[in-house]
Amino acid sequence: ETGVTQSPTHLIKTRGQQVTLRCSSQSGHNTVSWYQQALGQGPQFIFQYYREEENGRGNFPPRFSGLQFPNYSSELNVNALELDDSALYLCASSLGGGGWNYGYTFGSGTRLTVV
Amino acid sequence: GQQLNQSPQSMFIQEGEDVSMNCTSSSIFNTWLWYKQDPGEGPVLLIALYKAGELTSNGRLTAQFGITRKDSFLNISASIPSDVGIYFCAGQPSGSRLTFGEGTQLTVNP
Repeated sequence: ETGVTQSPTHLIKTRGQQVTLRCSSQSGHNTVSWYQQALGQGPQFIFQYYREEENGRGNFPPRFSGLQFPNYSSELNVNALELDDSALYLCASSLGGGGWNYGYTFGSGTRLTVV
Repeated sequence: GQQLNQSPQSMFIQEGEDVSMNCTSSSIFNTWLWYKQDPGEGPVLLIALYKAGELTSNGRLTAQFGITRKDSFLNISASIPSDVGIYFCAGQPSGSRLTFGEGTQLTVNP
C-alpha cells in the first residue's frame, strides 16, 4: 500500500508568479484535501476534492484553485503569489462519500517559499 | 469560524514522565483526531475517536472524546525521547474539513 506522495518537496518562487503542487493519494482513497501550514501554526483547510469536484472550501481567495484527476491524484494551483503564501502545503487523502471522510492520511508536504 | 484551543502550547518533561494535553472547542465535533508532526514531515495520525465518551488506546497513548463532543484529551505514559515533536488535535464536524489546534510542542529530556 503506497502512502500519500507530494511533489516537489521544496520550491522557491518570486512574488507574482504562479505555482502548481502535486499530490498522489493513498491506494484505495478517493478524496484529496489540501491544507496550508504557516510556520508555528496548525494546518488550515484550503479545499477538498471528491469525484473530481470541489467538495468544500476554506477561507482562501479564488487564486487558490485545484483539480482532481480520474486516478484521484490532485493539483493545487496558486496564482499571483504573495509573500504570505510562504508555507508548508499539505495534501491529505481519505476515503469519502456520504458526507464522511475516513483514514485522513497526510503527505510530507511541499515547502513553498515566496521571495 | 470554528476555533480549537489546544493546551499547553509547550511542555518540557523528563524521560519516563506522563504527559497530558487537551483541546476544547466552542462547537460540536463528530470526530476527534490526534496527530504528531516531526520537523519537515506531514502530520501522522495517532488516534481517531468517532463517538462521544469513547476512550481509545494506541500503545502508550490514550485519548478520549469528551461527552459534550466539544473536547478531547491525549495522554502519553512513560515518555521516551522519540516522543519529541508537535502534537495536534483536529476536529471534524462532518464531511470535508478538519479544524486543527495550534499544537503542543513536546520536549523530552533523557
